[in-house]
Amino acid sequence: GDSVTQMEGPVTLSEEAFLTINCTYTATGYPSLFWYVQYPGEGLQLLLKATKADDKGSNKGFEATYRKETTSFHLEKGSVQVSDSAVYFCALSKNSYGKLTFGQGTILTVHP
Amino acid sequence: NAGVTQTPKFQVLKTGQSMTLQCAQDMNHEYMSWYRQDPGMGLRLIHYSVGAGITDQGEVPNGYNVSRSTTEDFPLRLLSAAPSQTSVYFCASSLGGGATETQYFGPGTRLLVL
Repeated sequence: GDSVTQMEGPVTLSEEAFLTINCTYTATGYPSLFWYVQYPGEGLQLLLKATKADDKGSNKGFEATYRKETTSFHLEKGSVQVSDSAVYFCALSKNSYGKLTFGQGTILTVHP
Repeated sequence: NAGVTQTPKFQVLKTGQSMTLQCAQDMNHEYMSWYRQDPGMGLRLIHYSVGAGITDQGEVPNGYNVSRSTTEDFPLRLLSAAPSQTSVYFCASSLGGGATETQYFGPGTRLLVL
């Protein structure tokens, strides 16, 4: 079946550091790929998405590119802030009633 | 718009008790889902609905019941709680069911089963 694998966490960075969170997937067909973020005490919210190969999703300084050849969707940000501290989930969806398959989540902590 | 709301925020149950987790959305979304979140496992789909009166099982449906009598509400019932059901439960909704749809999540219900 379909699956998503994220890099092991937690990740701890200093403010203004460069962030990469790796995500790879296994799926048949052509899934859409998502990054969702969960801030402390809140539900998940969409950070960015890409719906076809070579698409780049971007939002709030975060970027991720849909790489079909490497089945990857790595999340990057050039300069993180304390307010980016959260749990980040990579996920995929195929045309199955909007169902999402999630990775295990990566905890990011940014120190001043 | 309130978006997706869930009640209660936190609940403690004893093994064998039953309860209903409430979920409501005011965005007129057709598609609604329930997920559970466990440490190191991401979120897993329990049940979903593609419209009023239509529900189906997800990845981990055992021990849970759902119904969808209105577009707005999608309650999740635990029939006889077990410690393995200790988790954080999230309800989600989306306008459509395509692969590109954005899911909107509620704030979650934290459940502890003793």
